[in-house]
Amino acid sequence: KQEVTQIPAALSVPEGENLVLNCSFTDSAIYNLQWFRQDPGKGLTSLLLIQSSQREQTSGRLNASLDKSSGRSTLYIAASQPGDSATYLCAVISDMRFGAGTRLTVKP
Amino acid sequence: GAGVSQSPSNKVTEKGKDVELRCDPISGHTALYWYRQSLGQGLEFLIYFQGNSAPDKSGLPSDRFSAERTGGSVSTLTIQRTQQEDSAVYLCASSLAPNNGYTFGSGTRLTVV
Repeated sequence: KQEVTQIPAALSVPEGENLVLNCSFTDSAIYNLQWFRQDPGKGLTSLLLIQSSQREQTSGRLNASLDKSSGRSTLYIAASQPGDSATYLCAVISDMRFGAGTRLTVKP
Repeated sequence: GAGVSQSPSNKVTEKGKDVELRCDPISGHTALYWYRQSLGQGLEFLIYFQGNSAPDKSGLPSDRFSAERTGGSVSTLTIQRTQQEDSAVYLCASSLAPNNGYTFGSGTRLTVV
């Protein structure tokens, strides 16, 4: 059974820092992986979807990479802003499994 | 529609009552998923529908939970004889096809008192 883990569970950084969020999975035979953002009391907003044939995807200040052989994906956020404060979740779509999320706080 | 629509957005029910939660996926999306998110927890997979195939019910926590999808579109999640531990946000997502990216609805917050 696919297990998805996100470390750390919470992260606090000052505004302007570049940061990396980690997502690991136990079964490397995945089809794709998706990163989401969840604001308190809200639903999930899709950020990036990486197909297994790709190594990375970029959208604005966000860059997600995928290394199937090591069972890892990272979400890189450049020049963080207070508006980036939210919980970030990764999901192995082909297995319908989510990580528990990393709660990010960006301090002004 | 333009997005995934869920109703109601909030539901308060008494313990022991039955509830129905509705999900209207994006038009043309063949795959539909239900998840549950308890307070401070991650997403727990409940059930998956793909086209006219038999649904994957492997995540349903008990036989009090059931779901159907009519005409390959709207889905209803039914919880019978609700318990306090059923209190959670129930999230629905749809995708164009299996293994395509998910689009989520805003969820239904269920409170059992």
